Formats: sequence, structure tokens, C-alpha cells
Amino acid sequence: AQTVTQSQPEMSVQEAETVTLSCTYDTSESDYYLFWYKQPPSRQMILVIRQEAYKQQNATENRFSVNFQKAAKSFSLKISDSQLGDAAMYFCALSSNTGKLIFGQGTTLQVKP
Amino acid sequence: GAGVSQTPSNKVTEKGKYVELRCDPISGHTALYWYRQSLGQGPEFLIYFQGTGAADDSGLPNDRFFAVRPEGSVSTLKIQRTERGDSAVYLCASSQYGGRGTKNIQYFGAGTRLSVL
Repeated sequence: AQTVTQSQPEMSVQEAETVTLSCTYDTSESDYYLFWYKQPPSRQMILVIRQEAYKQQNATENRFSVNFQKAAKSFSLKISDSQLGDAAMYFCALSSNTGKLIFGQGTTLQVKP
Repeated sequence: GAGVSQTPSNKVTEKGKYVELRCDPISGHTALYWYRQSLGQGPEFLIYFQGTGAADDSGLPNDRFFAVRPEGSVSTLKIQRTERGDSAVYLCASSQYGGRGTKNIQYFGAGTRLSVL
């Protein structure tokens, strides 16, 4: 079975500072994809960043980057220069062979001005 | 519209009633997914359509839940004899091709919040 675990229910960061959200996963597949989604109070999931497991290079998207450790099955998200608009719930997700997403429990990020 | 549209945004019903939730995917997307998100949890997969057919319905919790996509575009999630435990946000997502890979970026709607009293 494929699982995704987010061990931080809540995180807090000062505006303009850097924060890292943790995620571990388990899968028996060799080819898979990992995602971070952001869910603001509007409920709509927004894709933040994605990583192909066969790529060794960590993905980056502007202020967002990941630390992908394949052997450790770890996929953390780093947010640099945090902004008030980054406050939301963040979900780590693993894509199965049908494309369905397996989500973690989520981390609520609070950004303090 | 440009995004995934879900209607209604909120639905309140009584225990035992029948409900239908609608999802209108991004035009041209062949794959459509339904997820259920309970309060404070991550979304859980329900069913995946590739075109008109259900390619994976392993997430449907029981036979009270059923979904259709008759013309390969709009999908309807149907719940019979609703129970209080069915209360959740039901999310729909679509992607261009489905399956695994970078082309399977899933775009989500804002969901339908179902409350069963």
C-alpha cells in the first residue's frame, strides 16, 4: 500500500522568513511522482510544486523548493521569504499508477506579520 | 469556464435522502477524479474516470455511492440514503490525460460541502 505522512499538524513562520514542511511516504513502485498542494480557506487545491522520482535534481518554483531524498522516502517543502498569502493548509501527495493522488494529513501554515 | 466547476458549493440534506453533486471539468480534459475530504484531513480518492468509463472505483466506500460521466465531460456523484458520516467536502479534479506522469497535473474545483443532518 502507498502511504503519505505529514507529522506536523501546524507550523508557524514570521513574514519574510523561511519554513520547511516535512513529508515522508512509502511506495513499492520505482516510478512515481510527488506533489505539494496548497489549500486556502476557499477550499480549492492549488498545485505548488511537483517532483518526478526519477529526477535527482530537486524541483524549484520561485520561492518554493523541495528536498527530495529518495532513499529515505522524504519529500520536504521549503518556502523562502514567506508572505502572508502563503498561509494555508499544505498537502503532500503521491501519484499512483492510475494517477490518483494519495494525500497526507496536511500541515496548517500560519504566517505572522 | 476556465477552471473546474462544482455545484452546488454547499448542500444540506437530511439523513436518508438522495443527493447529486455535479462536476464540470476543464474543457478537453479526458480524466476526472472524485475525492472526499473530511474535516481536518487530507482528501481521499473515490473514483477515476477516463473518458466515459470508470477506470478505478476502488475508493467508493459502499454501494450507496455511484458516479457517472455519460458523455465524457460532466460527472455526477450520486449518494443514496445519506448518512451523517457522509458529511464532508467532495472535491473533483480533472487532468488532460490521466494516468501517471507530468501530463497528469490535476486541477481541482472548490468542492461541494455536504452536510447531512
